[in-house]
Amino acid sequence: GAGVSQSPRYKVAKRGQDVALRCDPISGHVSLFWYQQALGQGPEFLTYFQNEAQLDKSGLPSDRFFAERPEGSVSTLKIQRTQQEDSAVYLCASSLVGGQLLYEQYFGPGTRLTVT
Amino acid sequence: AQSVSQHNHHVILSEAASLELGCNYSYGGTVNLFWYVQYPGQHLQLLLKYFSGDPLVKGIKGFEAEFIKSKFSFNLRKPSVQWSDTAEYFCAVLTRGGNDMRFGAGTRLTVKP
Repeated sequence: GAGVSQSPRYKVAKRGQDVALRCDPISGHVSLFWYQQALGQGPEFLTYFQNEAQLDKSGLPSDRFFAERPEGSVSTLKIQRTQQEDSAVYLCASSLVGGQLLYEQYFGPGTRLTVT
Repeated sequence: AQSVSQHNHHVILSEAASLELGCNYSYGGTVNLFWYVQYPGQHLQLLLKYFSGDPLVKGIKGFEAEFIKSKFSFNLRKPSVQWSDTAEYFCAVLTRGGNDMRFGAGTRLTVKP
């Protein structure tokens, strides 16, 4: 299909392990967003890319979280030394345009991370 | 603090009942407003959006929402719900010039056949 895909869909990590979550946006979409959704809550913004540039990382909860999009397409969210409070669903979204223009975000299925 | 509030955590209705889900936000200035829906086991999908113009916005599947600027509200409505509307509904706000979409906590709708 032509939607946003994420892998893995489920990830179990032991506390202290590093994890990497992948997002494949819709082809040609300029903007890419990462969100964290805790159980029973709405998604919370983590970071935003326009092409390969990370323009906003104000939502990253700590310096253990790192995101990249080196070629302006696929993005990886990395969490180092995972903690139990990192357990959540991590959502990726992409949109055709960004910046000041109006746009619609298309969401992927998410990666459910459980830290034990 | 800037926030998005959804008044109901879980709403249970019978088929053909009317639906109204509340959403209030606390941002000043110009905003873009969205309702997203997540059906069981599926992705978040856009239901409708307001950017400017007519404050009554019509979306997919018979849903509509009304932007009332003076009340900082964007309530979702549907005159007659169906069992297939069972899902979680999220209100979201994007401030003009901002990149971070702020979501409410969601309202779970259960429609009994």
